Amino acid sequence: AQSVTQLDSQVPVFEEAPVELRCNYSSSVSVYLFWYVQYPNQGLQLLLKYLSGSTLVKGINGFEAEFNKSQTSFHLRKPSVHISDTAEYFCAVSDRSGYSTLTFGKGTMLLVSP
Amino acid sequence: DGGITQSPKYLFRKEGQNVTLSCEQNLNHDAMYWYRQDPGQGLRLIYYSQIVNDFQKGDIAEGYSVSREKKESFPLTVTSAQKNPTAFYLCASSIVWGGHYNEQFFGPGTRLTVL
Repeated sequence: AQSVTQLDSQVPVFEEAPVELRCNYSSSVSVYLFWYVQYPNQGLQLLLKYLSGSTLVKGINGFEAEFNKSQTSFHLRKPSVHISDTAEYFCAVSDRSGYSTLTFGKGTMLLVSP
Repeated sequence: DGGITQSPKYLFRKEGQNVTLSCEQNLNHDAMYWYRQDPGQGLRLIYYSQIVNDFQKGDIAEGYSVSREKKESFPLTVTSAQKNPTAFYLCASSIVWGGHYNEQFFGPGTRLTVL
């Protein structure tokens, strides 16, 4: 079984500042890792994913994440945020079987103010 | 356009009534999922189905039931046995392909309020 911990429930930041949303996972097997974004009252949209290869993964809207196996982390970063990035962000993990379900963290609300 | 539809977007019911939430997909995906979302709790898996006429319980299946009679459809019934049914419900689907990554695509959600 896997578990995901998102260390911050809310992250307030000013527009054009950098941001990092933290995610740690626990698993006894190799995993796939994901970040999803949810705008208010909407479904989830995939931001980026780590499947294999380079540990630095680039996604949509200027976001990137780095997989650190030794620290079991997959932190999400953006060098300069916009007001429109205000949303809830979820980290998720699955095992590599292809038949696995996703396990989600509790989410981090990113609040961008002018 | 291919995608997942959930209807209605908002649903109100009286306590003690069963209610069925609709989820339809035209992506030709094999697997479908139901999640419940509560503030500060993330998404929790209720039921999932990887093939027609088969489904498995997720982490919080008590008080819910599902059916999978067609590949495109995976309705969720919230029964009167569910003690706290007010929540945001999300449906998702994915291809099933053993040993490969299967991205889940999400519908827009249904917000259920039980009065």
